[in-house]
Amino acid sequence: QVQLVQSVFEVKKPGASVRVSCEASGYTFTGYYMHWVRQAPGQGLEWMGRINPNSGVTNYAQKFQGRVTMTRDTSISTAYMELSSLRSDDTAVYYCASSIAVAKDAFDIWGQGTMVTVSS
Amino acid sequence: DIQMTQSPSSLSASVGDRVTITCRASQSISSYLNWYQQKPGKAPKLLISVASSLQSGVPSRFSGSGSGTDFTLTISSLQPEDFATYYCQQSYNTPVAFGQGTRVEIK
Repeated sequence: QVQLVQSVFEVKKPGASVRVSCEASGYTFTGYYMHWVRQAPGQGLEWMGRINPNSGVTNYAQKFQGRVTMTRDTSISTAYMELSSLRSDDTAVYYCASSIAVAKDAFDIWGQGTMVTVSS
Repeated sequence: DIQMTQSPSSLSASVGDRVTITCRASQSISSYLNWYQQKPGKAPKLLISVASSLQSGVPSRFSGSGSGTDFTLTISSLQPEDFATYYCQQSYNTPVAFGQGTRVEIK
């Protein structure tokens, strides 16, 4: 079945970097943008950016420009999101999501989320 | 960038009530408006895309309407499993943007 499986849990110190993975299965990975959305504890959803898995072209939200890097490995149908210079307010659940069977950028598949905790 | 504003931010309702949540875009987004339901500890679930298209498997008590800047999500008869947080999202252009969410609680 169509699914996105993410790395589970990360604990990092302030100033460090984190890389979250998202493995796709059940569909053509290179055919659909992969987006990253985060959610701080008790807060709403925040779009971070997207990658075209076919070309590798990325678009990032202005807020994360210079700190986020999205990449992919098409040989294993996996997308990655790396966030650098971590701060305590980067503590959040990070989701990958894609739009497979519906209108553009309506996210009908989501990963289960990766909890990233930033703490000294 | 397009801003999305939902109202109310929370509401209390009883099983069987009709519930309406509104979402306003800071500029016209045609019909590129999607609605999600999120339960605690879970990823969001797409309910409605392009303003009114119900996703497969979503109960028909959910409906969406609107175009341009003003949109509505309606639950015709609230069920116990509908208590959750609901988000609107514009997919008209990049950066996509979500509303701040509406928490539906049990009265």
